[in-house]
Amino acid sequence: EPEVTQTPSHQVTQMGQEVILRCVPISNHLYFYWYRQILGQKVEFLVSFYNNEISEKSEIFDDQFSVERPDGSNFTLKIRSTKLEDSAMYFCASTLVTGATEAFFGQGTRLTVV
Amino acid sequence: GESVGLHLPTLSVQEGDNSIINCAYSNSASDYFIWYKQESGKGPQFIIDIRSNMDKRQGQRVTVLLNKTVKHLSLQIAATQPGDSAVYFCAEFSNDYKLSFGAGTTVTVRA
Repeated sequence: EPEVTQTPSHQVTQMGQEVILRCVPISNHLYFYWYRQILGQKVEFLVSFYNNEISEKSEIFDDQFSVERPDGSNFTLKIRSTKLEDSAMYFCASTLVTGATEAFFGQGTRLTVV
Repeated sequence: GESVGLHLPTLSVQEGDNSIINCAYSNSASDYFIWYKQESGKGPQFIIDIRSNMDKRQGQRVTVLLNKTVKHLSLQIAATQPGDSAVYFCAEFSNDYKLSFGAGTTVTVRA
């Protein structure tokens, strides 16, 4: 069964450092998303991406965040200067078509900022 | 802003009994409402969705009910099994193609 894969599974970084979280969406999917989940809280939307550009972003997705699809398979989330409050699980998701409600989520990357 | 939420943060249910998980929403403009299941250490997994013009939809062992009059959504799980233990999130899918999740209900199945 096709799945979304994320690497690394756990990343520890020092405050102020840059991190890149990587995702490989399902191969024929066209719409890509990043969500984050602070421990014990709900899943929050960060950004959606289609046709090599951001379609929608939330208030959380400020200038410190960026996304990129550097090749035909990877979808990355970069945080330029991490803060303690960036510590969370980050989930990548993808859908085949616009308006598809069945988003497939990856296992997540646990980011710990110390 | 926040428009989706759940009534109770936890639910304990006896194995074999039926479970009902509730959710209230405030955004009447949402196109779809979806239930996701999140097991420990995993990402959310799609369970079932319902379009805003429907009031009931059934899947395998699950039924979602939508009451637009009171803006209430529920997920019913028949014959709850140990593998159903997880956090359940309701979410709304709006016309800007993003999911907005509620806070989650932790379901614990007692043997």
